[in-house]
Amino acid sequence: QVQLVQSGAEVKKPGSSVKVSCKASGGTFSSYAISWVRQAPGQGLEWMGGIIPIFGTANYAQKFQGRVTITADESTSTAYMELSSLRSEDTAVYYCARVLELLIAQGAFDIWGQGTMVTVSS
Amino acid sequence: DIQMTQSPSSLSASVGDRVTITCRASQGISNYLAWYQQKPGKVPKLLIYAASTLQSGVPSRFSGSGSGTDFTLTISSLQPEDVATYYCQKYNSALLTFGGGTKVEIK
Repeated sequence: QVQLVQSGAEVKKPGSSVKVSCKASGGTFSSYAISWVRQAPGQGLEWMGGIIPIFGTANYAQKFQGRVTITADESTSTAYMELSSLRSEDTAVYYCARVLELLIAQGAFDIWGQGTMVTVSS
Repeated sequence: DIQMTQSPSSLSASVGDRVTITCRASQGISNYLAWYQQKPGKVPKLLIYAASTLQSGVPSRFSGSGSGTDFTLTISSLQPEDVATYYCQKYNSALLTFGGGTKVEIK
């Protein structure tokens, strides 16, 4: 069974960048889309963008265009999400999640990482 | 962008009650809709996809229906372990959107 394991919690200064990793184990990585979803404290879920590793092209929510970069390394079965120009409103738990269907960029998320808390504070 | 509106934002019901949550899309999305359950402090869990298909391992008291713009998630007999926030998500295009969530509590 595929598992997604994310990197650990981060504390960042406003204006800096953060890069969160999401490593897949136990199954196929390259042919399933990986998305990033964030959740601010006490708030709902917010989709940021996603990538199908075998194709390598990411798509992003308009809100994050220009500030987020999603990549994937097939050799290590790891997806990455880098968010730049951090501000306090970016304080949230960041999740990676796998799309249920093969080679489909958009879909329901059947497998989730454990989440990575990113705190932005001066 | 298509907006997803859930109602109610919260509800309180008794054990054994039938609970219905609604999700409305601002434009038609066919059946490209999923439902998730998120318990406090936990990772979201997929319950239903394609509007009405139950994800493997999800109890049969959960069901989904709808197509186009109006969708419902029903819990046929509410159990204490169903206390959670429920989210809908549309995926008819490359831009994915979640509803605002419905918090379900036990009365």
